Amino acid sequence: QKEVEQDPGPLSVPEGAIVSLNCTYSNSAFQYFMWYRQYSRKGPELLMYTYSSGNKEDGRFTAQVDKSSKYISLFIRDSQPSDSATYLCAMQTGANNLFFGTGTRLTVIP
Amino acid sequence: DGGITQSPKYLFRKEGQNVTLSCEQNLNHDAMYWYRQDPGQGLRLIYYSQIVNDFQKGDIAEGYSVSREKKESFPLTVTSAQKNPTAFYLCASSINPGQSPFGYTFGSGTRLTVV
Repeated sequence: QKEVEQDPGPLSVPEGAIVSLNCTYSNSAFQYFMWYRQYSRKGPELLMYTYSSGNKEDGRFTAQVDKSSKYISLFIRDSQPSDSATYLCAMQTGANNLFFGTGTRLTVIP
Repeated sequence: DGGITQSPKYLFRKEGQNVTLSCEQNLNHDAMYWYRQDPGQGLRLIYYSQIVNDFQKGDIAEGYSVSREKKESFPLTVTSAQKNPTAFYLCASSINPGQSPFGYTFGSGTRLTVV
């Protein structure tokens, strides 16, 4: 079993839709949870960062962590064509390296 | 501006040839990492270094070598022993995770192709 599981998609949605991206994990010691956005042929950039359980909102983006279910989500409201990218979840215990999901490829259709 | 610079952006390697990918950061980060990205497989850790003159193997170190002689620099050599080197290579850096885990900053990547 992989440490972090992420549905690779691809996911296509119309402009303006609400997008839900998800990851599950097996290591209950994970405390720090991140979402990265990666445009084609570019390096990933940090989008959202949360510690432990709860929600965090930043503009159209909301990151949600449910440690009891070992499940994290990223919601994108009013999706735009510029949101088309691959989204990677990542997590760590705080004392060692990041564990990444495989990434979900999202296309927002105008 | 602070950041990570990877060069070259595109690199072509002949069979049996060693090539070196450059990674330089001016973020004053202690830790640096090399990842390989293949379609559908996500990011796989090749090597990492948390301090100058020290580095550790990641999950797929075979056929690769690194050095960390300066805090700012972490070059990756893809040797002829790496049988399937065609991939997108990403360098990253972070404040030492043991002190404050704030995720990684990535470079723009190097696409290596065997010809």
